[in-house]
Amino acid sequence: ETGVTQTPRHLVMGMTNKKSLKCEQHLGHNAMYWYKQSAKKPLELMFVYSLEERVENNSVPSRFSPECPNSSHLFLHLHTLQPEDSALYLCASSQDVGFAGDHEQFFGPGTRLTVL
Amino acid sequence: SQQGEEDPQALSIQEGENATMNCSYKTSINNLQWYRQNSGRGLVHLILIRSNEREKHSGRLRVTLDTSKKSSSLLITASRAADTASYFCATDATANAGNMLTFGGGTRLMVKP
Repeated sequence: ETGVTQTPRHLVMGMTNKKSLKCEQHLGHNAMYWYKQSAKKPLELMFVYSLEERVENNSVPSRFSPECPNSSHLFLHLHTLQPEDSALYLCASSQDVGFAGDHEQFFGPGTRLTVL
Repeated sequence: SQQGEEDPQALSIQEGENATMNCSYKTSINNLQWYRQNSGRGLVHLILIRSNEREKHSGRLRVTLDTSKKSSSLLITASRAADTASYFCATDATANAGNMLTFGGGTRLMVKP
């Protein structure tokens, strides 16, 4: 166990559905991340929250909406997704020390999302 | 463009052999990290090497870093079937905000019993 949990572990949804992915970290970290991992593609950073403020949004489509209510919880709200959004969605956390330093990231087990 | 590129993309060896994976990157870095991922699971941090370090060891893992060539290698000695996984390098680039990593495409390692 890495101290980062994600729910649900598997999700199947239609293109018109609205669902949310949840991530929780029990490590006392102050930065959290959403990544997308598709087959045969490198891990793609989607969103970064540091001290509960979003600092990176790598041109992710608006059908993905993140929410970080506190430093321990991170959500990814999904609506009107496309089949190409099917992937493994990984959450991670780290301790952001605010300057160039060692930022080891701790990952959750991921949510396997299938969009029909 | 992708910061880290692993080589080879796939590697198959017998148990007991050594496995070497390479990573190349493009920009100046603060550190380089290696992660492991079992099929369909999250990534697990293995080892971090800072830009001013050349070699680092952790158990059966040995990592080297050559900043002049912008490359790193991960050596797993005396491999075991349980080492079967994908291995990713990730760079903490000096140009990035303080807490972002860029991951490579990974090397899929299969260790045959």
